Order: sequence, then structure tokens, then C-alpha cells
Amino acid sequence: EVQLVESGGGLVQPGSSLKVSCVASGFTFSSYVMHWFRQAPENGIEWLAYINTDSSSTHYAETVKGRFTISRDNAKNTVDMQLSSLRSEDTAMYFCARGAYYGYLDYWGQGVMVTVSS
Amino acid sequence: DIQMTQSPASLSASLGETVTIECLASEDIYDILAWYQQKPGKSPQLLIYDASSLHTGVPSRFSGSGSGTQYSLKINSLQPEDFASYYCQNGLSAPPTFGAGTKLELK
Repeated sequence: EVQLVESGGGLVQPGSSLKVSCVASGFTFSSYVMHWFRQAPENGIEWLAYINTDSSSTHYAETVKGRFTISRDNAKNTVDMQLSSLRSEDTAMYFCARGAYYGYLDYWGQGVMVTVSS
Repeated sequence: DIQMTQSPASLSASLGETVTIECLASEDIYDILAWYQQKPGKSPQLLIYDASSLHTGVPSRFSGSGSGTQYSLKINSLQPEDFASYYCQNGLSAPPTFGAGTKLELK
């Protein structure tokens, strides 16, 4: 069974940093691209970042470029995202998702909440 | 980026009814479109890809259609577990972009 489990969320102050992680199981992790998304309360789904299978290519949404960094460890079946210079508008549920063919996301984690507030 | 416009934003329906949700892309996405279901407090779940292909395990009461810039999701004979939010997604070009969602509520 494909599983993605996020961790690392919490309450942080504006300007601080946080790392969210996603551990995968039930499939050959190194064969799939991975993405991070977020969803603010009662809002839509926003794509944040992409990483290819061997980490040679990453892409970011303009809203987080230069502040967030995606990385992966194929030996540990994990994909992380380092969030820095956090703002109140970064408050959201953060999801990792497995990339299928084209731009489809065929499996998602349960999400981890990040709250940025003083 | 390709913009995805969904309608309606919310929809009330009764058990057993049939409903349709529409999605309009800002440019031709050549049927590279997905639909997701999201229940409160849960993550999105892929329902349909390539505009009309059902993902593994999705009941046949769900169907998708459309082409070019206009797509729709139809749910026949609504079941209690179908009351959720639904999102369309452009899968053709990066970044993946989503409609704002349709919240399906029990009348």
C-alpha cells in the first residue's frame, strides 16, 4: 500500500524557520518525482515545489522561491521542505504528493499544519 | 500559468441525485485534466485523470468528460460518502494548477 506520512509542523513565529518531512512507503520511491502543496484554511490547493527522481531538478512557486527548499533522500525514502523567513500568510496545511505521469498527483500524505503567528 | 475556473462554488443535493461540476481552463489542455475529492480534514484523493479515466478503486458512479478548455465531473446516484469538496487540476503544463473547488453539501 502506498503511504506518505508528513511530520514537522507546528506553531512558529514570523521570520523563523521550520522543516517539514514526508516519508514514503509501499512503492519504489526513487522512481517517482515528488511535490509539496499547501492549503490555507478554507482555501484552495497551491503547488509549492517539485523535485525530480535524482534531485537534479527542482522548481518552486514564485510565492516561496528563495525561502523554501525541497530536497530528498532516496536511501531513506524521504522528501523534505525547509521553510524559512516564514510569514503569517504561510499558515496552512502542507501536503507531500507523488507525481504520476503528466502532472497528476496520484497519492497524497495526510498533511501537516504549519501556523505562523507571534 | 494555466488558470482553472470551477463552477458552481457550492452545490446542495439529495441522496440519490445526479450532479455535475464544471471546469474551464484558460487554454486548451488537451484532456490532461484530473479531478480530486477532498473530505474535511483529509488530503485530496485522485478520482479521474485524462479527463475521463477512473483512478484505481473509484466507483463507476463518477465520470468525467470534456475536451479543449471545458470539462465536467458527473456523480450519479449520490451516496453519503460523496459529500465533499471537488477540485479540477491542469496536468498538462507546469505548475499544476487547481480550480477553487466545489463544495457538495447534503440538502
